[in-house]
Amino acid sequence: GQNIDQPTEMTATEGAIVQINCTYQTSGFNGLFWYQQHAGEAPTFLSYNVLDGLEEKGRFSSFLSRSKGYSYLLLKELQMKDSASYLCAVRSLVQKLVFGTGTRLLVSP
Amino acid sequence: GAGVSQSPRYKVTKRGQDVALRCDPISGHVSLYWYRQALGQGPEFLTYFNYEAQQDKSGLPNDRFSAERPEGSISTLTIQRTEQRDSAMYRCASSPGLVQAEQFFGPGTRLTVL
Repeated sequence: GQNIDQPTEMTATEGAIVQINCTYQTSGFNGLFWYQQHAGEAPTFLSYNVLDGLEEKGRFSSFLSRSKGYSYLLLKELQMKDSASYLCAVRSLVQKLVFGTGTRLLVSP
Repeated sequence: GAGVSQSPRYKVTKRGQDVALRCDPISGHVSLYWYRQALGQGPEFLTYFNYEAQQDKSGLPNDRFSAERPEGSISTLTIQRTEQRDSAMYRCASSPGLVQAEQFFGPGTRLTVL
């Protein structure tokens, strides 16, 4: 089976840094994804990790530890437009994605 | 170029009716995925295709659900004898290749079964 856990909701202040954690237990692993989803919109791709370590892309970074079944998404210099749900998803050996329930991030002024 | 498109965007139907949801992937994308998303939840995998071949349908809830992609491009998800519990957002996604992993999502079809 597959189990992906992430916090339900987080709050942060504009300009701050926030870290959204994701832990997973899966029967196979072929990469971990982070997606951003604004209310009423489609998910959009943020990052992909398949090897251990940190991937940096502008204000967003994602970290993976395969041995610990753990990932985090780091958002720096938060902006109001970063208020959204952040979805952690694991790709199994057979290509399909299993998503977590998502973390709703609220950024306040 | 155009992104993934889905039609209709909204569908209201009566219990017991059949519905067909259409997905038009990004041109040239090899893989196409169907998901169902409840409010406040992440997308739930239903099925996927590589070209015209259905690779995995383990996520389809029961035999009232079926999908096809006959020419390896447009796909249709069909729900027969709809029930109220089928009400949800149905999302389609496509990806460029078998190795390239990023999936591009469409706007979804909001299905309401009365």
